[in-house]
Amino acid sequence: DAGVIQSPRHEVTEMGQEVTLRCKPISGHNSLFWYRQTMMRGLELLIYFNNNVPIDDSGMPEDRFSAKMPNASFSTLKIQPSEPRDSAVYFCASSGRAGVGYEQYFGPGTRLTVT
Amino acid sequence: RKEVEQDPGPFNVPEGATVAFNCTYSNSASQSFFWYRQDCRKEPKLLMSVYSSGNEDGRFTAQLNRASQYISLLIRDSKLSDSATYLCVVNSPRGTGFQKLVFGTGTRLLVSP
Repeated sequence: DAGVIQSPRHEVTEMGQEVTLRCKPISGHNSLFWYRQTMMRGLELLIYFNNNVPIDDSGMPEDRFSAKMPNASFSTLKIQPSEPRDSAVYFCASSGRAGVGYEQYFGPGTRLTVT
Repeated sequence: RKEVEQDPGPFNVPEGATVAFNCTYSNSASQSFFWYRQDCRKEPKLLMSVYSSGNEDGRFTAQLNRASQYISLLIRDSKLSDSATYLCVVNSPRGTGFQKLVFGTGTRLLVSP
């Protein structure tokens, strides 16, 4: 079975440019999560969706970050304009219904470098 | 205070050793507990769930102490391939009924020959 798919796997961009990260959750999962991981701060939850609806975006750093989930099989995280401090690994994860105990399954991540 | 706290390590152990990690959590309403494993430059992967009665999966044993609000992971007969960072994960219930997982910063394990 396909796991969570993320693209691109690596992104190098210049400060001020727009960056769009993409995620395809595991088929049938109804919750989707975007995380950011850095050495200094560890794994931080940015936003999560349930049934395509944003439930908690309190982790989104600032207005430069936005996320959408137009349908059950696709989500995007956009940074505009990007800044060097946004450099991190961005993970997308998905989770099934309550019956599976809320385990989350992670994609391989997008390693973002903003110069 | 962090919602989930772990000793960052690293724990350096020889092959074949037994090693244990502890993790404490602050939300007494938490009901689901997990250990994830993360290899260098890879995504976190679910290692095992932690049940109230304790559970074992091969060389790995997880325990939960609700009264003291801590979780443990015991690894027996360590292998070189066990070298990784182990993340303690706890759910954080919200009044809306939706669940959020809170990840500890991880404990690094290095198993040497």
